[in-house]
Amino acid sequence: GAGVSQSPSNKVTEKGKDVELRCDPISGHTALYWYRQSLGQGLEFLIYFQGNSAPDKSGLPSDRFSAERTGGSVSTLTIQRTQQEDSAVYLCASRLLSNQPQHFGDGTRLSIL
Amino acid sequence: GQQLNQSPQSMFIQEGEDVSMNCTSSSIFNTWLWYKQDPGEGPVLLIALYKAGELTSNGRLTAQFGITRKDSFLNISASIPSDVGIYFCAGPGSNQGGKLIFGQGTELSVKP
Repeated sequence: GAGVSQSPSNKVTEKGKDVELRCDPISGHTALYWYRQSLGQGLEFLIYFQGNSAPDKSGLPSDRFSAERTGGSVSTLTIQRTQQEDSAVYLCASRLLSNQPQHFGDGTRLSIL
Repeated sequence: GQQLNQSPQSMFIQEGEDVSMNCTSSSIFNTWLWYKQDPGEGPVLLIALYKAGELTSNGRLTAQFGITRKDSFLNISASIPSDVGIYFCAGPGSNQGGKLIFGQGTELSVKP
């Protein structure tokens, strides 16, 4: 597709379950970013990938959060043993070069019951 | 850590009015970005500023990069209903890699 694609668009799950969120960046974009947006807040950086490696994981809030990227393309963000405070919109962005802007997907709205 | 303070938090205006919102930081930024987010969608870049003092327009939108490098403003002239949404300022984080730091957002409501 032409833009960043994220799935699912909505996810409702019970506290304690694991969830996987997927991001399909724009074809050819080597840099990929995950952000979290809590209700009424700005975006909070989680992790950055350059190719398949993650040089900056400084925003991951706890060890329950992990992410991987394979083949320099699709990335998955995994949250284990979900808690209610994990409820948020998780946004993915990608970009081609360092002097170009990040393009965002529409996010996954995660609700933990 | 780096933080961006955006104001106002929300604005309720009449169609046709001009709007101004701003963003300040305690630390210097070398780039200022302004994004708009519609409900259920990801942010979309409106304007990018790369030089202190730079004034850039995009249609009815105008943004300026403050001389001190610690602030920026966004103006919208002659607002229309489709301007409704949340506007965010953003700048690059201190680590390499290009992560963005975002302001808290300004929610704009336009009454026809």
